[in-house]
Amino acid sequence: GENVEQHPSTLSVQEGDSAVIKCTYSDSASNYFPWYKQELGKRPQLIIDIRSNVGEKKDQRIAVTLNKTAKHFSLHITETQPEDSAVYFCAAIGETSGSRLTFGEGTQLTVNP
Amino acid sequence: NAGVTQTPKFHILKTGQSMTLQCAQDMNHGYMSWYRQDPGMGLRLIYYSAAAGTTDKEVPNGYNVSRLNTEDFPLRLVSAAPSQTSVYLCASPGTSGRNEQFFGPGTRLTVL
Repeated sequence: GENVEQHPSTLSVQEGDSAVIKCTYSDSASNYFPWYKQELGKRPQLIIDIRSNVGEKKDQRIAVTLNKTAKHFSLHITETQPEDSAVYFCAAIGETSGSRLTFGEGTQLTVNP
Repeated sequence: NAGVTQTPKFHILKTGQSMTLQCAQDMNHGYMSWYRQDPGMGLRLIYYSAAAGTTDKEVPNGYNVSRLNTEDFPLRLVSAAPSQTSVYLCASPGTSGRNEQFFGPGTRLTVL
């Protein structure tokens, strides 16, 4: 089955700096890669996603890049703000796995004012 | 449109007791799933159901589910163990046609 690894497990940045979180996946048939943000005590919520036919996607201060050859994808947050502090999860879905998401272990991002 | 709802929010069980965690969705989607969330381990899939009347498990023991209708997907702990202390999250895709999963608010379960 699919295996997703996520790095780093913790990340601390100064407000205004950029943050990058990286994930690798094992199943070359995976074709959908979402990123979820989970604030303390709340449920995970989708912030951006990318499909395997696209190399990059941007939404304001966040962007996701995908390298299918290397089987890795990354989340980029620019001009970080304290409200970006949360746990971020990457995930992957394979072509044959229906809606079954395999998640990474999560990254605790702290943005220091 | 409430999305995905879960009850209870918190519960404490003693080892060996049984309990059912409730999950309901009003998005009329066939697929529903249960994850458990533990510190440093992300979200791990426990059970999923592609449609009413079907279920498939990802972990071997300790849990049961039923899917009698589209809306409800209860998760039962048959004989609770301390290793099942966790936050349990139920999820279902929306109606956008994408693979986005909507999560319920979660149930924080402690087994003593």
